[in-house]
Amino acid sequence: KNQVEQSPQSLIILEGKNCTLQCNYTVSPFSNLRWYKQDTGRGPVSLTIMTFSENTKSNGRYTATLDADTKQSSLHITASQLSDSASYICVVTKNSNSGYALNFGKGTSLLVTP
Amino acid sequence: DGGITQSPKYLFRKEGQNVTLSCEQNLNHDAMYWYRQDPGQGLRLIYYSQIVNDFQKGDIAEGYSVSREKKESFPLTVTSAQKNPTAFYLCASSTWDSQYSNQPQHFGDGTRLSIL
Repeated sequence: KNQVEQSPQSLIILEGKNCTLQCNYTVSPFSNLRWYKQDTGRGPVSLTIMTFSENTKSNGRYTATLDADTKQSSLHITASQLSDSASYICVVTKNSNSGYALNFGKGTSLLVTP
Repeated sequence: DGGITQSPKYLFRKEGQNVTLSCEQNLNHDAMYWYRQDPGQGLRLIYYSQIVNDFQKGDIAEGYSVSREKKESFPLTVTSAQKNPTAFYLCASSTWDSQYSNQPQHFGDGTRLSIL
């Protein structure tokens, strides 16, 4: 079972509007949560990384929030632009002693239309 | 200009053929990773390497092989045993402890593999 669930699966918004993407996780124990942006045909690019003690982090028009108690995160995009059209991927790291610990969500596909 | 280079961008495989995907990084990262991405699916780990001459299987290693003879290079071979190889393949690198620090993985721009 996927331990990182993202919603919605896809979203269409008008240019200039705001939107919020959701990430719920069951990964435990928790280490950090990352949001990536992936343009079509390209590799993902890091937007934010948040640890347990951080509940909000911004990167330009992108603001991520984290509620470690409810195991939920959101990515808010303000004043969307056509270039925001992409897939947004949530990644949660398990606090493990060793080995690979990343858990990827399936992503939310965002389309910004004129 | 530091980064990760994957080549080729597009690759076609014939039945029964092995093909090798190249991944080179000049970020001086110890750890490197290979992922497979299918439509509507999250990234799935094929192999990862935390140090030269050492690598570990991921969730879907069957039908794939890797080598890590140099820090900068982590090639992936898709063997004929992989019966459904059509996918987008992503290579990434990071510092060895990046999973638990505020250092992200850096990704290449992928290789799209198709069956002829």
